[in-house]
Amino acid sequence: EVQLVESGGGLVQPGGSLRLSCAASGFTFSSYYMHWVRQAPGKGLVWVSRINSDGSSTTYADSVKGRFTISRDNAKNTLYLQMNSLRAEDTAVYYCARDLDKYDYWGQGTLVTVSS
Amino acid sequence: DIVMTQSPDSLAVSLGERATINCKSSQSVLYSSNNKNYLAWYQQKPGQPPKLLIFWASTRESGVPDRFSGSGSGTDFTLTISSLQAEDVAVYYCHQYYSTPHTFGQGTNLEIK
Repeated sequence: EVQLVESGGGLVQPGGSLRLSCAASGFTFSSYYMHWVRQAPGKGLVWVSRINSDGSSTTYADSVKGRFTISRDNAKNTLYLQMNSLRAEDTAVYYCARDLDKYDYWGQGTLVTVSS
Repeated sequence: DIVMTQSPDSLAVSLGERATINCKSSQSVLYSSNNKNYLAWYQQKPGQPPKLLIFWASTRESGVPDRFSGSGSGTDFTLTISSLQAEDVAVYYCHQYYSTPHTFGQGTNLEIK
């Protein structure tokens, strides 16, 4: 059974940092592109970042470029999102999603709250 | 960036009736080399992650009831629920994965009339 489990969310002050993790199981993690998508409270879905299967290529939304870094450890079947210089507008549930020419599996999400 | 615009923002339909949600992209999401539309539809219920319903604009994901169907090509797409069931109450999103950033529509809130 395919599973994606996010962790690492929490309350952080503006300007602070967090690292999110997404533990994958039930499939060959190293074969898939992966994404981070976020959803602010009561709002819609917003794509954040993508990483290719071996980690050599990454893409970011303009709103997070230069502040967030996506990475992966295929030996540990884990996707990461390092978030620096956090702002109030980064407050959201962060989902990881598997890409098979469609986002076919999503994690349950982890909540990041940026507030003083 | 490709802008995805859904209509309507909210919709109330009687049980057993048809529900139709439209999605328009600001540029074509049809990839000419494989003739595939890089357009998906998701259903999201409160407190849950999105669930994939339709990909390639019209291919139903495994396990999705056949009352859900997708149509359209290029820039104009439609999600149709042929006979609304109570469990279909949710927010529905269209999503283009033709080019990054992979943008989503603003969502359509579907309720029972």
